[in-house]
Amino acid sequence: TQLLEQSPQFLSIQEGENLTVYCNSSSVFSSLQWYRQEPGEGPVLLVTVVTGGEVKKLKRLTFQFGDARKDSSLHITAAQPGDTGLYLCAGPFTDSWGKFQFGAGTQVVVTP
Amino acid sequence: DAGVIQSPRHEVTEMGQEVTLRCKPISGHNSLFWYRQTMMRGLELLIYFNNNVPIDDSGMPEDRFSAKMPNASFSTLKIQPSEPRDSAVYFCASSRLPPPRPDTQYFGPGTRLTVL
Repeated sequence: TQLLEQSPQFLSIQEGENLTVYCNSSSVFSSLQWYRQEPGEGPVLLVTVVTGGEVKKLKRLTFQFGDARKDSSLHITAAQPGDTGLYLCAGPFTDSWGKFQFGAGTQVVVTP
Repeated sequence: DAGVIQSPRHEVTEMGQEVTLRCKPISGHNSLFWYRQTMMRGLELLIYFNNNVPIDDSGMPEDRFSAKMPNASFSTLKIQPSEPRDSAVYFCASSRLPPPRPDTQYFGPGTRLTVL
């Protein structure tokens, strides 16, 4: 069974601080995606990483895919209150075509 | 584009009643997903359709749950009979390409179901 474990479960920081959240698995994923979900809404895709070692930047957000394609991280520089939300990583199963799994998520709260 | 449309946004029902959730995917998308989100279990994939055909329904919790996609622009998730433990937010999502090819899943706003 491929499981995506996210850590930490909850993170509360002050505006301007940096933070990193992690998504780990013991299995290899062909790709991983990061979503952000705000209260009362569905998740919204932030990025897809497909190559081991890949680094993608989206403004103040930096995403990295591990060399072995088993883990990923999301780093936010100088966090702002607008970054508050539930960050979810997701990936397709390789042993069950079509099945897609989400991690439990990291709830990030950025206070002014 | 209107995005994924779900209805109703909120549903409160009593145990034993039938509940039908509806979804209209984004036009041109070939894949449709039904998810359930709870605090305890997070976001769980219930069933996935590709070109209106159910591909994997192994996430459907029980026979009380059923899903249909009669055409490319409409899908339903039905719970009969409903139970309090079915209370959750149910999301529908669509994408252009099926997994495992990486593609954006566009989520609807969800239906918050409360079963009393």
